[in-house]
Amino acid sequence: DTAVSQTPKYLVTQMGNDKSIKCEQNLGHDTMYWYKQDSKKFLKIMFSYNNKELIINETVPNRFSPKSPDKAHLNLHINSLELGDSAVYFCASSQKTGNTGELFFGEGSRLTVL
Amino acid sequence: AQSVSQHNHHVILSEAASLELGCNYSYGGTVNLFWYVQYPGQHLQLLLKYFSGDPLVKGIKGFEAEFIKSKFSFNLRKPSVQWSDTAEYFCAVNRRSSASKIIFGSGTRLSIRP
Repeated sequence: DTAVSQTPKYLVTQMGNDKSIKCEQNLGHDTMYWYKQDSKKFLKIMFSYNNKELIINETVPNRFSPKSPDKAHLNLHINSLELGDSAVYFCASSQKTGNTGELFFGEGSRLTVL
Repeated sequence: AQSVSQHNHHVILSEAASLELGCNYSYGGTVNLFWYVQYPGQHLQLLLKYFSGDPLVKGIKGFEAEFIKSKFSFNLRKPSVQWSDTAEYFCAVNRRSSASKIIFGSGTRLSIRP
């Protein structure tokens, strides 16, 4: 009964490859996010979608392309992977209504680029 | 621009010691405030939150935080820590008028000596 689930949990790949991370939430939330956590544990928002519409895009390179087929899913595709893309990527969701902003996180996907 | 500062990068305490982790934000408008905790190898989970009302907020596991509007602060406290409190603690804030963008501080690593 995982509320926010991400796959894969671990991803090891070579520079230059293309990879995707998938996220699904069963909380009925309207808004989903991708956050990047670097090796120093710093969390930075990348994207946010509300009901399949992109609402936040935080100066992320074009190699990163999010896709939301429906409001329960938000996938992240990364082209031409670079060493600096190594990080833990967290998916999260929140309920738009009520303006509470509380986030529910997935368990993270650790990406290692060699 | 909206930002969150956590002054303590790494705090080391003995069990039963009292804890206070600092958090300051820079935004003059109405905000929601959060503390999230990330236990080793796990995802972030909400510890406590402030939206309005009593500025002293109680969360899970004996944690509390006090919102001091005049100081733009939301410090986290616990009177007596346990070894199981070893984790990374993140302060976060979002603007009440823009609930979708939650900004995180850089985190404070808490290590508890048994």
